[in-house]
Amino acid sequence: DAKTTQPPSMDCAEGRAANLPCNHSTISGNEYVYWYRQIHSQGPQYIIHGLKNNETNEMASLIITEDRKSSTLILPHATLRDTAVYYCIVRVEAAGNKLTFGGGTRVLVKP
Amino acid sequence: DTGVSQDPRHKITKRGQNVTFRCDPISEHNRLYWYRQTLGQGPEFLTYFQNEAQLEKSRLLSDRFSAERPKGSFSTLEIQRTEQGDSAMYLCASTGSGIYEQYFGPGTRLTVT
Repeated sequence: DAKTTQPPSMDCAEGRAANLPCNHSTISGNEYVYWYRQIHSQGPQYIIHGLKNNETNEMASLIITEDRKSSTLILPHATLRDTAVYYCIVRVEAAGNKLTFGGGTRVLVKP
Repeated sequence: DTGVSQDPRHKITKRGQNVTFRCDPISEHNRLYWYRQTLGQGPEFLTYFQNEAQLEKSRLLSDRFSAERPKGSFSTLEIQRTEQGDSAMYLCASTGSGIYEQYFGPGTRLTVT
């Protein structure tokens, strides 16, 4: 699976949009971009994933650049409960394929 | 459905003792994963089961570690002769056919003194 690069930390104001970048310049054509988050003392939680089109669900939006070498996770209206470590993962869609986590971005939402 | 559960949530043991953790996946999920997470790091893959078959093991899984999934339902992870370096959070995740996300349990935090 391709390696990802994320900033180690970022702050965000409550109620504002949080934009989390991820670089994956060596991504292959059949690799998807996944985002998970891990709130303190909990297991990771799936947020969203995509291949090349932008995706949106009730939690977030995922914007993938045309060359697929980078992406941005957008939390449209950050709340204090969004404080967590956010992981960007690229992986092939295959049965049994494990998740390879990097260091993630530690996001602190401030009042 | 109550999600993935793990037991115990916390375990403190002395170096050299054996410990066993249990994971109960979501009932219809046929795939089960174990990960280990040390402080400040992302989770690292340990092993993967499809039904009762253990299909992949990380080189992190030394011969002191053994995992089972009898009957393709719950799974156990045993660590023999624990070392201080085994102190970590042990996470279990499950998923099923046609499901793209892995569902994680709350983890078992192991402290080896």
